[in-house]
Amino acid sequence: QITLKESGPTLVKPTQTLTLTCTFSGFSLTTGGVGVGWIRQPPGKALECLALIYWDDDKRYSPSLKSRLTITKDTSKNQVVLTMTNMDPGDTATYYCAHRKNPAAVFDIWGQGTMVTVSS
Amino acid sequence: DIQMTQSPSSVSASVGDRVTITCRASQDISSWLAWYQQTPGKAPKLLIYAASTLQSGVPSRFSGSGSGTEFTLTITSLQPEDIATYYCQEANLFPYTFGQGTKLDIK
Repeated sequence: QITLKESGPTLVKPTQTLTLTCTFSGFSLTTGGVGVGWIRQPPGKALECLALIYWDDDKRYSPSLKSRLTITKDTSKNQVVLTMTNMDPGDTATYYCAHRKNPAAVFDIWGQGTMVTVSS
Repeated sequence: DIQMTQSPSSVSASVGDRVTITCRASQDISSWLAWYQQTPGKAPKLLIYAASTLQSGVPSRFSGSGSGTEFTLTITSLQPEDIATYYCQEANLFPYTFGQGTKLDIK
């Protein structure tokens, strides 16, 4: 059974850096084809893919946020970490991590999400 | 980025009705299209991928069709538990853009 869970701060100040951790079980990020992505959803708005990391350490970033995002993995801990710099109130959202279904390139299992508020 | 446009943005229907939601891509994405269901306060749930393949465990009243730039999600015989917001997502090119969502409620 695949599970994912996000953790990190619930409140950050403008200009600060956000670090979120996705801890997963039921699969390995060393297995060919496997990927984990981060998706966010501002309150009452649509979903937005932020970043994706593959088993071979290949990475993808949203072009509009690429300069602010870094995604890494720690296979020994079964974790994927997303950092986002220069946080702004417009980044207030629920942040999800999700398992990428191979080869369909969709997210079949999601974490519960973590709400992050950006405010001074 | 590929743009995904859903219609309608909201729809009301009665239990037992057939409901159709449309998603249009700004460029050809072949069959690289998924549909998700999201209820308030919950994470999205994958319903359909590859435009028409039902995810394991999803009721057969859900179906998807289309290819290229035009796609459809159909719910036959709407059930009360189907009240949710539905999103399409292109899976052809990262950042795998989602549509803006279609909110479905009971009439």
